[in-house]
Amino acid sequence: AQSVAQPEDQVNVAEGNPLTVKCTYSVSGNPYLFWYVQYPNRGLQFLLKYITGDNLVKGSYGFEAEFNKSQTSFHLKKPSALVSDSALYFCAVRDAGNYQLIWGAGTKLIIKP
Amino acid sequence: GAVVSQHPSWVICKSGTSVKIECRSLDFQATTMFWYRQFPKQSLMLMATSNEGSKATYEQGVEKDKFLINHASLTLSTLTVTSAHPEDSSFYICSAHRRQDAYSNQPQHFGDGTRLSIL
Repeated sequence: AQSVAQPEDQVNVAEGNPLTVKCTYSVSGNPYLFWYVQYPNRGLQFLLKYITGDNLVKGSYGFEAEFNKSQTSFHLKKPSALVSDSALYFCAVRDAGNYQLIWGAGTKLIIKP
Repeated sequence: GAVVSQHPSWVICKSGTSVKIECRSLDFQATTMFWYRQFPKQSLMLMATSNEGSKATYEQGVEKDKFLINHASLTLSTLTVTSAHPEDSSFYICSAHRRQDAYSNQPQHFGDGTRLSIL
């Protein structure tokens, strides 16, 4: 069965420091991986995706993610965090049989000034 | 582009009331829409997949008669919570796939969600 794990419920980072939000996955076949961000009382916004090609994927708002096949990981990163990056971040993998997304539990990112 | 509008954003009503939530794709045609439920501090739980012109596909454990889904056009899907009770209180989110993105790896486009509170 396909699954996504976000091992950290919450990540705290000081403004200006680099941030990493972790995601590992388990799929049969090629993984199609996504990161979304959710601000309070809002829907989700797409950040970036990995389908194929370069392992380092660049997305919106300065975020990037590194696909690591051997470690089955797709960690979200940003070189310099902003207070406005504080939100809930979800990693997802597309189900191989259809276009539904299988969601991680979410990681709350808190950026402190 | 690819804007999804969800209405209402917040609704408070008495127990026993039926509540309709609308999900509209404003600038594209959505052959498929997804309805999710999100509990506080938890991930999204897919409730059902709504396909234009056909019956929705419900996930296991979701009551079809409780959560009525209608996808009558390529730009509108509705979720009706029938005879709502306090345990139905939650944050409901819809998302949509553009017609040309169906069966591809393009991202879903999300509405801003509806906060439902049943007294």
